[in-house]
Amino acid sequence: DAEITQSPRHKITETGRQVTLACHQTWNHNNMFWYRQDLGHGLRLIHYSYGVQDTNKGEVSDGYSVSRSNTEDLPLTLESAASSQTSVYFCASSGDRSEKLFFGSGTQLSVL
Amino acid sequence: AQSVSQHNHHVILSEAASLELGCNYSYGGTVNLFWYVQYPGQHLQLLLKYFSGDPLVKGIKGFEAEFIKSKFSFNLRKPSVQWSDTAEYFCAVNAPGAGSYQLTFGKGTKLSVIP
Repeated sequence: DAEITQSPRHKITETGRQVTLACHQTWNHNNMFWYRQDLGHGLRLIHYSYGVQDTNKGEVSDGYSVSRSNTEDLPLTLESAASSQTSVYFCASSGDRSEKLFFGSGTQLSVL
Repeated sequence: AQSVSQHNHHVILSEAASLELGCNYSYGGTVNLFWYVQYPGQHLQLLLKYFSGDPLVKGIKGFEAEFIKSKFSFNLRKPSVQWSDTAEYFCAVNAPGAGSYQLTFGKGTKLSVIP
């Protein structure tokens, strides 16, 4: 079955370190998204991509970057981790008709 | 850009009570509307969606939502809640007609159902 997987499930890092969160989908979806979920804020869009070599900034993109070198993967990089980036990160994908998002299981990131 | 507001942060109900969660969006063009549910410790799952046609849409587990265009609303309802409905509920919108496939989410409503 097609799926979307995120790794790692949990990550603890130190302030200032570079961190990369992986997202891999086998739906062959063109659209991929990264959200962060925080209490009182719901889900906020970090970055998104509509296809290979396409990346776009979302609502809370500062301090994050993504790259899309193939259809399946959209890794999220925190260039220099900050405590404010402690959060749960969800990757999601959708087809071009945008009927619904398929979510990964999330990555719990703690920046100490 | 579109935005979504959910009126209730936390709702507490007894089993068998009726549920209505409010959702309003702001966007002048054609939108797709969604309700997602997140059970404790799990990722988001689609509950129901509205693209066009009948404004009353039915989803899984007895949930339904009504799109009222004049009010920019898409409220979620369930006639009789169960303890297993305890979860967080998110309303979301996108505007694919404008080339916008990303979902904008509301801040969520936490539902606690007391047995």
